[in-house]
Amino acid sequence: GAVVSQHPSRVICKSGTSVKIECRSLDFQATTMFWYRQFPKKSLMLMATSNEGSKATYEQGVEKDKFLINHASLTLSTLTVTSAHPEDSSFYICSAGQFRAGAFFGQGTRLTVV
Amino acid sequence: AQSVAQPEDQVNVAEGNPLTVKCTYSVSGNPYLFWYVQYPNRGLQFLLKYITGDNLVKGSYGFEAEFNKSQTSFHLKKPSALVSDSALYFCAVRDIRDDKIIFGKGTRLHILP
Repeated sequence: GAVVSQHPSRVICKSGTSVKIECRSLDFQATTMFWYRQFPKKSLMLMATSNEGSKATYEQGVEKDKFLINHASLTLSTLTVTSAHPEDSSFYICSAGQFRAGAFFGQGTRLTVV
Repeated sequence: AQSVAQPEDQVNVAEGNPLTVKCTYSVSGNPYLFWYVQYPNRGLQFLLKYITGDNLVKGSYGFEAEFNKSQTSFHLKKPSALVSDSALYFCAVRDIRDDKIIFGKGTRLHILP
């Protein structure tokens, strides 16, 4: 079945630095990918829709300059957390997939900002 | 706006007993509904979906869900629970206008040995 790969699975960074998370669709092309953030014991919050070849669409309340999204090819979307702070620590998950088949999710990235 | 509600934060079931995880939805138009499971520090795994057709949908790991249009529900069920079913379960609806998936808040399922 379709696979979405997310990398890295865990990352620890210092406050003030930037971190890039990659999301790849391994056996299909994805013109659209989605980025979610999951807080402890909370549901998944949709952050933004990543559109291949164009600007990402951000959900209300998500800082565009803080969470940079690039979707340069049909199989890769990246999320860069810029000038990370401890409050950005979270579990980030990407998804892609065909409409009727349901979405496929990456394995998630645990970001810890110290 | 499309939304889903999972009224239970946690469900405890003894191993071998049937389990139900509740979900209700609110959509405009025909619903496209999904169940996902998440194990600790892992991504989401697809369990099953309802698009059209039979109201009883069978999915992975012996799970099934019943679509009930009159009650706007899509409860997840399994006839006999396993300890390994313990995880976080999310009900979701797909917004057909833009393909976004909207999740419920999740229900933590504990299967007691």
